[in-house]
Amino acid sequence: NAGVTQTPKFQVLKTGQSMTLQCAQDMNHNSMYWYRQDPGMGLRLIYYSASEGTTDKGEVPNGYNVSRLNKREFSLRLESAAPSQTSVYFCASISTGTLTYNEQFFGPGTRLTVL
Amino acid sequence: KQEVTQIPAALSVPEGENLVLNCSFTDSAIYNLQWFRQDPGKGLTSLLLIQSSQREQTSGRLNASLDKSSGRSTLYIAASQPGDSATYLCAVTGSQGNLIFGKGTKLSVKP
Repeated sequence: NAGVTQTPKFQVLKTGQSMTLQCAQDMNHNSMYWYRQDPGMGLRLIYYSASEGTTDKGEVPNGYNVSRLNKREFSLRLESAAPSQTSVYFCASISTGTLTYNEQFFGPGTRLTVL
Repeated sequence: KQEVTQIPAALSVPEGENLVLNCSFTDSAIYNLQWFRQDPGKGLTSLLLIQSSQREQTSGRLNASLDKSSGRSTLYIAASQPGDSATYLCAVTGSQGNLIFGKGTKLSVKP
């Protein structure tokens, strides 16, 4: 059982380059999330997908796009990378019950540096 | 807007001590509260999940309590060990299942 997987683990980009961060979960979870973690700021929500075919903005969506490719996969795209997007990116998924949410599981993270 | 605060930001204790980490949140309308551990340069490991209807959860030497009415949770670590050194994160679940995090408590347990 792999849980939540992310690729790549590390990436260095130049300003203006684009890239896609991949995330997949094998737990049959409905909801998936992208967070970024910055020193002194904690983890903040970028985008989320409550179910296959739906996506919504979180707290810090500017400069990012997402795609919920199917129930398993949720990708995050940087169209034109900026130094302010240097961060650690985490993908997470959660199972939902009736009027409740269960434990949220996180991937290992992608460490992105934009020069 | 929900805000989560963790006090203290850093804590250093000698091995063997019992310790308490604190978490407070501003909006009591939460689905649940989750405690995580994060080692340097690593991802998040879930420690305990407390549903909003529960008062506490226990796992080994860890005990987490939840008081929704006062907007507080505590993580109690018994008989601390150097291997417990890490950053501990508290997070509450928002209306879309997303987690709202505190900035963490960095714990150092000295041998």
